[in-house]
Amino acid sequence: NAGVTQTPKFQVLKTGQSMTLQCAQDMNHEYMSWYRQDPGMGLRLIHYSVGAGITDQGEVPNGYNVSRSTTEDFPLRLLSAAPSQTSVYFCASSHPKSPGQGDTEAFFGQGTRLTVV
Amino acid sequence: SQKIEQNSEALNIQEGKTATLTCNYTNYSPAYLQWYRQDPGRGPVFLLLIRENEKEKRKERLKVTFDTTLKQSLFHITASQPADSATYLCALDIGGFKTIFGAGTRLFVKA
Repeated sequence: NAGVTQTPKFQVLKTGQSMTLQCAQDMNHEYMSWYRQDPGMGLRLIHYSVGAGITDQGEVPNGYNVSRSTTEDFPLRLLSAAPSQTSVYFCASSHPKSPGQGDTEAFFGQGTRLTVV
Repeated sequence: SQKIEQNSEALNIQEGKTATLTCNYTNYSPAYLQWYRQDPGRGPVFLLLIRENEKEKRKERLKVTFDTTLKQSLFHITASQPADSATYLCALDIGGFKTIFGAGTRLFVKA
């Protein structure tokens, strides 16, 4: 099993460009999430999904879109990149032990380091 | 809004000593609290989960306590080793399938 795979690992964008960060997991997990990590601020939840076809907003959703057409994939789209979106992005997946509960560990990808100039 | 506080200053300890990291939170009563380890340039890795009705959880040299009255969790590493040097993140389940994270505390263990 590869676990959670994120691509690309590094990306430089110009302001106003759009791009998609890819995330795939091979563990058949229901839950998937996107976080961004900035110095001194920890991980902040952008969007999450509790299953195929279901997504919802986290703490900092503005400027990002997601979709979940399959259990395995959860891409994050930057619509019009801004310097404030320079960050490290992490995708995570998990599978609840109890339905609708958060009583399980999350598995994280290696991250995508994005710079917007 | 929900706030999680972890010591922003790095913790420096000598090998063999016990490291104790603190996680304080406000404005919520989480059902679960987790601790993760993060090494530079890598994603967080799960260590321990503790439930609101559990006072303490252990795994090898790791121990977590959870005081829902104080709204605090303590994370202990006994007999610390240089390989334990990393950033340790506290995470709360806040319901609605959401987990939020603290900024983490960097731990340095000197040989």
